[in-house]
Amino acid sequence: ETGVTQSPTHLIKTRGQQVTLRCSSQSGHNTVSWYQQALGQGPQFIFQYYREEENGRGNFPPRFSGLQFPNYSSELNVNALELDDSALYLCASSARDSETNEKLFFGSGTQLSVL
Amino acid sequence: AQSVTQLGSHVSVSEGALVLLRCNYSSSVPPYLFWYVQYPNQGLQLLLKYTSAATLVKGINGFEAEFKKSETSFHLTKPSAHMSDAAEYFCAVRASGGYQKVTFGTGTKLQVIP
Repeated sequence: ETGVTQSPTHLIKTRGQQVTLRCSSQSGHNTVSWYQQALGQGPQFIFQYYREEENGRGNFPPRFSGLQFPNYSSELNVNALELDDSALYLCASSARDSETNEKLFFGSGTQLSVL
Repeated sequence: AQSVTQLGSHVSVSEGALVLLRCNYSSSVPPYLFWYVQYPNQGLQLLLKYTSAATLVKGINGFEAEFKKSETSFHLTKPSAHMSDAAEYFCAVRASGGYQKVTFGTGTKLQVIP
């Protein structure tokens, strides 16, 4: 049990819709990263937030956006859903106090299906 | 840019046998290397990490990995497989010198045969 919680656990949407996924960080963590894990693949980095600012982004289009709140919880928003957006979305939190000691704690993910 | 390649998408071993999961990395700067495990319907859990302190890294659940710069490898081993080790294992890399994204491999699914 990592202390990182994600909601909802499962979600079904249709193409073109918008979705918001939520993540509650582990206590004391100030950094949140979001990953997309397609079936049979490793997680792909979407973006990272540190103290409410986007701090790095992977190869994902602008319709993937995020927020981090003062309590360090986070949202991932995806607009204009496409079939290929179907995947497990993972949130990971960490405490940016030491580069060497930084360790990602993952939530169990949100399984998104786009029909 | 950093990347990892995991050799073998599926590995089967008998219970009690040696587990060897292979990972090769590519990095333009000294890397931090990780192995994560993912059980069905769960997120990823860190098994161990290499941050240049020692080349042989011991992790949880009896796993260990050795950093070999000459071979650009970071293979994961366990002397004796247990049924509970059946899961998917991911090798990952992050560049040192700043907080960068973690890049994951495609994963190796480990099956343990009784």
